[in-house]
Amino acid sequence: EVQLVESGGGLVKPGGSLRLPCAASGFTFSNAWMNWVRQAPGKGLEWVGHIKSKTHGGTTEYAAPVKGRFTISRDDSKNTLYLQMSSLKTEDTAVYYCTAGRWFDPWGQGTLVTVSS
Amino acid sequence: DIVMTQSPDSLAVSLGERATINCKSSQSVLYSSNNENYLAWYQQKPGQPPKVLFYWASTRKSGVPDRFSGSGSGTDFTLTISSLQAEDVAVYYCQQYYSTPYTFGQGTKLEIK
Repeated sequence: EVQLVESGGGLVKPGGSLRLPCAASGFTFSNAWMNWVRQAPGKGLEWVGHIKSKTHGGTTEYAAPVKGRFTISRDDSKNTLYLQMSSLKTEDTAVYYCTAGRWFDPWGQGTLVTVSS
Repeated sequence: DIVMTQSPDSLAVSLGERATINCKSSQSVLYSSNNENYLAWYQQKPGQPPKVLFYWASTRKSGVPDRFSGSGSGTDFTLTISSLQAEDVAVYYCQQYYSTPYTFGQGTKLEIK
C-alpha cells in the first residue's frame, strides 16, 4: 500500500522552529519528486516547496512566503522527507501535507502546526 | 506566477444532475514539446487530505468513477460530474504543475441542492 505519514506538528511560538518528518512506503521513494503543501484553517491549498529526486539533481524550490525560512530535505536510505521550519510566523499556522510527484499523488493525512504565543 | 481562477466559488446541484466547475489559468499550461496540459484536479472531503481525480487535464486516476470527466486545453479547463451522487459533496481544486510555484485554484465547494 502506498502511504505517506507526517508527524512532528504541534504548538510553537512565533520565531520558533519545528521539523516535520514524512515517512514514505509502498513506492520507490528515491525516484519521486516530493512536495510539501499546506492548508490554513478553513482556507485553500498552498504549495510550500519540493525536492527533486537525486537523479534529477535533488534540488529544492520554495514558495515565496517561506523561502529563506523553510528547508526541504530527504533521506532516501530512510524513505523519509523532511520540512525544517524556522522563524515561524502566525500565518504559517496550517495543516502540512507531504505529497509525491509532479501532480500530487498520494497525500499524507497531514500534521497541524499552530504558531501562537 | 500562474494564477488559477475557479468558477463558481460554490455550487449546489440536485442529485442525479450535472455539475460543472471551470478553471482558468493566467497563462497557458500546455507544453508544446509533448502537447500535454500540466493541469490536475483534486477532490477534498471534510477532514480528509485531497485526492487526485485527473492529471494531464483529462487522464482519470484509476478508481475514479467515470461520471467524472476532465477537459480543456491551454488556459481553460472544466471538471464535470455527469450525475451527482451524495458522496461527491466536497471541495474541488484545480492545480497547475507547468511551472513553479505550483499553484491551485481557490476551490469550488460542491453541495447538494
